[in-house]
Amino acid sequence: SSELTQDPAVSVALGQTVRITCQGDSLRSYYASWYQQKPGQAPVLVIYGKNNRPSGIPDRFSGSSSGNTASLTITGAQAEDEADYYCNSRDSSGNPLGVFGGGTKLTVL
Amino acid sequence: QLQLQESGPGLVKPSETLSLTCTVSGGSISSSSYYWGWIRQPPGKGLEWIGSIYYSGSTYYNPSLKSRVTISVDTSKNQFSLKLSSVTAADTAVYYCARLVFYQLLPYNWFDPWGQGTLVTVSS
Repeated sequence: SSELTQDPAVSVALGQTVRITCQGDSLRSYYASWYQQKPGQAPVLVIYGKNNRPSGIPDRFSGSSSGNTASLTITGAQAEDEADYYCNSRDSSGNPLGVFGGGTKLTVL
Repeated sequence: QLQLQESGPGLVKPSETLSLTCTVSGGSISSSSYYWGWIRQPPGKGLEWIGSIYYSGSTYYNPSLKSRVTISVDTSKNQFSLKLSSVTAADTAVYYCARLVFYQLLPYNWFDPWGQGTLVTVSS
């Protein structure tokens, strides 16, 4: 099995850059996917793979990875980016077992 | 555009079995490279993966729930279903279904799209 660890909360000033991180052994072998969730809404995919954005996701969202840490960076954070962010990756076995991080609450000041 | 919709009872009694169905529209559930998953979120808490199924019936379950979970697929109806037995108040959550895009040779996968979610409360 595998676990993914995220900081519970992060804040950023409007227009500044923020990095949200996710740590786990499985990230040494697999890239994370990232999801944005606003209150009362279903999660939305924002980044997957090395650094892929689904259609409709602003290019201020980007992803990166190093060692056992995956990062989601928001360059020029906007008020509408305030949300919970979750990382997800495969289990270390490589099978389609889903593992989610505990989530990071992003506050835009 | 692919859409997923959860359906099922919003209230389940303790010790009974929770049953939900996810209906897929705008695409075939039998497409290769796609698994279909269930994820839940207790009130005020994070996301927890429950399990995933391939159209052939191959399944993967969260080890912490495996003894109580059954996920099945009905390709003729373009649906997949979740059964969670012996529920307690701890199983109260919003339950989401989602498509899991999975390519064995790629070092990543992702859930997209997601259903809107359905709240299931376990209470007598």
